[in-house]
Amino acid sequence: QVQLQESGPGLVKPSQTLSLTCTVSGGSISSGSYYWSWIRQPAGKGLEWIGRIYTSGSTNYNPSLKSRVTISVDTSKNQFSLKLSSVTAADTAVYYCARVGLVWSFDYWGQGTLVTVSS
Amino acid sequence: QSALTQPASVSGSPGQSITISCTGTSSDVGGYNYVSWYQQHPGKAPKLMIYEVSNRPSGVSNRFSGSKSGNTASLTISGLQAEDEADYYCSSYTSSSTHVFGTGTKVTVL
Repeated sequence: QVQLQESGPGLVKPSQTLSLTCTVSGGSISSGSYYWSWIRQPAGKGLEWIGRIYTSGSTNYNPSLKSRVTISVDTSKNQFSLKLSSVTAADTAVYYCARVGLVWSFDYWGQGTLVTVSS
Repeated sequence: QSALTQPASVSGSPGQSITISCTGTSSDVGGYNYVSWYQQHPGKAPKLMIYEVSNRPSGVSNRFSGSKSGNTASLTISGLQAEDEADYYCSSYTSSSTHVFGTGTKVTVL
């Protein structure tokens, strides 16, 4: 059973870079033809897709966030990571990592981690 | 990319059937059979309920079904139960090789 777990600072100052890591267990991040994705949800609001990465390093990003987002993968650690630069209060949200299944659905999710942007 | 449009809320009595719509464009919902649906209880991560328009993952009740016509996908919950009360989101793959979520629907069991 694949499991995902987000980790990283829960508080980030405005204008700084938000950094999160997702650790995958129960299977190799490199096995199968899967992409790995980040999704966020501000309090009381809907889900927003941030981007995805393949284990080759190929990425796709939400156009609205593309200029500030970098997703990377470390197959030796079975992890993938998110960096979001120049954050503002609008980036305060619960951030989820998820596996993109074989037909472009998100079949496994982490529990989510709250990141607050505040000075 | 714009979020897919869902009704803000849908309600029904126990045992009834309800349907949630998800409207997009020919660049997402209408262009691909890669529509999925997620159930989210308060404080929990979303759970995949339907993938590829109408397929149920193992373990998901057959009371949940999906369909699509043109640019609109739908999720139907039959035999509504108290445990079905949650937020529901649709999602679609897009022509830009990205993903987009719906605005979300709160389902209330009366």
